[in-house]
Amino acid sequence: QVQLVQSGAEIKKPGASMKVSCKASGYTFTSYAIYWVRQAPGQRLEWLGWINGDKGDTKYSRDFQGRVTLTRDTSASTAFMELTNLRSDDTAIYYCARNSITEGTLFYWGQGTAVTVSS
Amino acid sequence: DIVMTQSPLSLAVTPGEPASISCRSSQSLLHSNGYNYLDWYLQKPGQSPQLLIYLGSIRASGVPDRFSGSGTGTDFTLKISRVEAEDVGVYYCTQALPPPGLTFGGGTKVEIK
Repeated sequence: QVQLVQSGAEIKKPGASMKVSCKASGYTFTSYAIYWVRQAPGQRLEWLGWINGDKGDTKYSRDFQGRVTLTRDTSASTAFMELTNLRSDDTAIYYCARNSITEGTLFYWGQGTAVTVSS
Repeated sequence: DIVMTQSPLSLAVTPGEPASISCRSSQSLLHSNGYNYLDWYLQKPGQSPQLLIYLGSIRASGVPDRFSGSGTGTDFTLKISRVEAEDVGVYYCTQALPPPGLTFGGGTKVEIK
């Protein structure tokens, strides 16, 4: 079965960077894209970007352009999301998710990674 | 950017009764291929979101048939024919027009009376 397992919770200081991993199993990693979505406390879900598992093409939300970088390691079936210049309002749960039949529909989700940004 | 607006913000439903959630997009989600790129997710307390409905009206695998999605263009509805206790959580509509840059609605919290 498809599984996306994310790295553990992190605490960061303002101005620092964070990098969350998402290890995929149960399918051919290069056949699908990985999306990244976050949810700040009490806020709606926010899309950060996606990365194509095969060619590594990326698309970023304009809200995070310049601060987010998505990469992948096909040999490890793992996707990574790096967010730089962290602010307190980046405190959120970060999810990776995978599409399937339709490009932007998120059929499978990771368990989430809680990131706290605090001085 | 496409803005997604949901209503109501919250809903308290008696088990066995129906429930309905509305979602409106600022631009049409009807693609030239005839599909509406509107998805519905449910986030149960303490869990990751899960897909309920995609392309406006197609139930995801394993989703009970008491859930149904309808609408086209800019106006969409999620209906639960008979709410059960396990349906509590926050429901989100999402636009996913290709090339996908996802936008989520603000969410509708469903509680049991």
